[in-house]
Amino acid sequence: NAGVTQTPKFQVLKTGQSMTLQCAQDMNHNSMYWYRQDPGMGLRLIYYSASEGTTDKGEVPNGYNVSRLNKREFSLRLESAAPSQTSVYFCASSERSNGAGEQYFGPGTRLTVT
Amino acid sequence: AQSVTQLGSHVSVSEGALVLLRCNYSSSVPPYLFWYVQYPNQGLQLLLKYTTGATLVKGINGFEAEFKKSETSFHLTKPSAHMSDAAEYFCAVRPDSGGYQKVTFGTGTKLQVIP
Repeated sequence: NAGVTQTPKFQVLKTGQSMTLQCAQDMNHNSMYWYRQDPGMGLRLIYYSASEGTTDKGEVPNGYNVSRLNKREFSLRLESAAPSQTSVYFCASSERSNGAGEQYFGPGTRLTVT
Repeated sequence: AQSVTQLGSHVSVSEGALVLLRCNYSSSVPPYLFWYVQYPNQGLQLLLKYTTGATLVKGINGFEAEFKKSETSFHLTKPSAHMSDAAEYFCAVRPDSGGYQKVTFGTGTKLQVIP
């Protein structure tokens, strides 16, 4: 099993450009998440999808949109990138969105916006 | 709302010495507690989790953590550090109160192991 995969691994964008970060999991998990990691700030939730067909905002959703394409795939879109969105982005999945279900993380996408 | 505090953003230990990484949490309801490890340029990987029952939880790679409700702590320990333990460690909390409950992560502690 590949677990959680993310593409691309690295990306450099100019301010105002758009891009989509792709995430897929092969563990048949119901719930998926997008986080950003910035130095000294831990992980902050951008959006999550408790189950196929639903998405909800996390704590830092501004400037992002998501699509839960099917049970396996959950994409994150930056419509007009800003330097403040320079970060490492992690996708994660879990069996369910409540309870003690641990999350499984992808390897991350390192995004730089100039 | 819940929160997590990890004391010390950087911790250095000698190889073979005790590893102690501190985590204190706040939660208005009984929590689920987690420790994750992140190796350079990788995603987070679960080390161990506390749900209910036994308060001493054993995880992978010889790590363990003890849930102390009275101290609202969930410190991570390992008796003898290996060079391969050098990584960043994140404590996380999730309330046990039904429905979707977000996971709150601490800001991380980078562990350096000195040969």
